[in-house]
Amino acid sequence: DVKVTQSSRYLVKRTGEKVFLECVQDMDHENMFWYRQDPGLGLRLIYFSYDVKMKEKGDIPEGYSVSREKKERFSLILESASTNQTSMYLCASRRTTGDSYEQYFGPGTRLTVT
Amino acid sequence: AQSVSQHNHHVILSEAASLELGCNYSYGGTVNLFWYVQYPGQHLQLLLKYFSGDPLVKGIKGFEAEFIKSKFSFNLRKPSVQWSDTAEYFCAVNLGSNYQLIWGAGTKLIIKP
Repeated sequence: DVKVTQSSRYLVKRTGEKVFLECVQDMDHENMFWYRQDPGLGLRLIYFSYDVKMKEKGDIPEGYSVSREKKERFSLILESASTNQTSMYLCASRRTTGDSYEQYFGPGTRLTVT
Repeated sequence: AQSVSQHNHHVILSEAASLELGCNYSYGGTVNLFWYVQYPGQHLQLLLKYFSGDPLVKGIKGFEAEFIKSKFSFNLRKPSVQWSDTAEYFCAVNLGSNYQLIWGAGTKLIIKP
């Protein structure tokens, strides 16, 4: 079974703090993704990485950065947390099988910025 | 811009009722289509996906979806729902060979026992 783990289920941080969210997958997948999930908005892509040290901006990258130094680990960084970054953050990795693929998700980190 | 619409944000049904959740997308090219489910307190998991072939796709837990290209739709169906189907359901679309999935806003389904 594919396993995607995230470092924290719940996190409370203060405005202006630097926040690190960690994601690890155990299936040697090349592609990894960070989303935020907000009620009524579905999932919005923040960043994705198609290989080690490679990254691409998604739809809402402002205020975020990422790091992928090892294949299994993809980190999301909030340089200076703000209250509008209070959200559920989901990490995913993608498995490709022939012409088909699917994303596997971690349990999410619910971040509250006060 | 490409988008994915899920028509109903909240649906309440009784057990044994039939279910159909709508999903429409706006893109005229090749698409790959997905339905994901998020049970309360659990992570998102794949219900089913369509890449090619038979437009009627069967997934886990008795769910199926039909891709109708002319209607840009990929509606999710289940003939008889159970209380355990209470969850939030998300439709997602991938455009051709792009890495990104475009997600609908989700439909919260509540099944009354």
